[in-house]
Amino acid sequence: AQKVTQAQTEISVVEKEDVTLDCVYETRDTTYYLFWYKQPPSGELVFLIRRNSFDEQNEISGRYSWNFQKSTSSFNFTITASQVVDSAVYFCALSTGNQFYFGTGTSLTVIP
Amino acid sequence: GAGVSQTPSNKVTEKGKYVELRCDPISGHTALYWYRQSLGQGPEFLIYFQGTGAADDSGLPNDRFFAVRPEGSVSTLKIQRTERGDSAVYLCASSQGRRRATDTQYFGPGTRLTVL
Repeated sequence: AQKVTQAQTEISVVEKEDVTLDCVYETRDTTYYLFWYKQPPSGELVFLIRRNSFDEQNEISGRYSWNFQKSTSSFNFTITASQVVDSAVYFCALSTGNQFYFGTGTSLTVIP
Repeated sequence: GAGVSQTPSNKVTEKGKYVELRCDPISGHTALYWYRQSLGQGPEFLIYFQGTGAADDSGLPNDRFFAVRPEGSVSTLKIQRTERGDSAVYLCASSQGRRRATDTQYFGPGTRLTVL
């Protein structure tokens, strides 16, 4: 069975703090893809990153970084120096050959 | 051109009525997806189109739900005899359609359906 777990339901941080959003996935497929999406209050899901199962290199994009570890089936997302505009619900998702599975999301609030 | 658009943004209906939700994908995207998102949950897959055909409708909850994409572009999600449990945000996404597993899906703003 395929599954994505985002154990953190809600997180609050003070502006400029770093924050890590956890994502643990479960699949028996050897080829799969992992995604992060941001859903601001407006509701539209915004694509952030895609990773394939054969590429464990960590990635950094500005204040965002992602840590993919197959050994622990995790694909965590870190925001450094958080800003109020980062407040949103963040979803981790897993794609295998036939399906796209979303986690339940982590609601991040950045307090000014 | 522009991103995925969905209309209406909000729909309020009464139990038992019929509703249609429209999705206009990104120009040139051959793949189109419908999802349903309940409060506090992640999007839940409903149906996937490749071109005009429904390649995977395994997520449709029952036969009251139906979707079409007659010309391979705009899609309409149709719900018959609506029930209060159908209240949710219905999201549409499109992708280039090269390969389902690897395609990045781009989402619309959703239609919030409320069944009274």
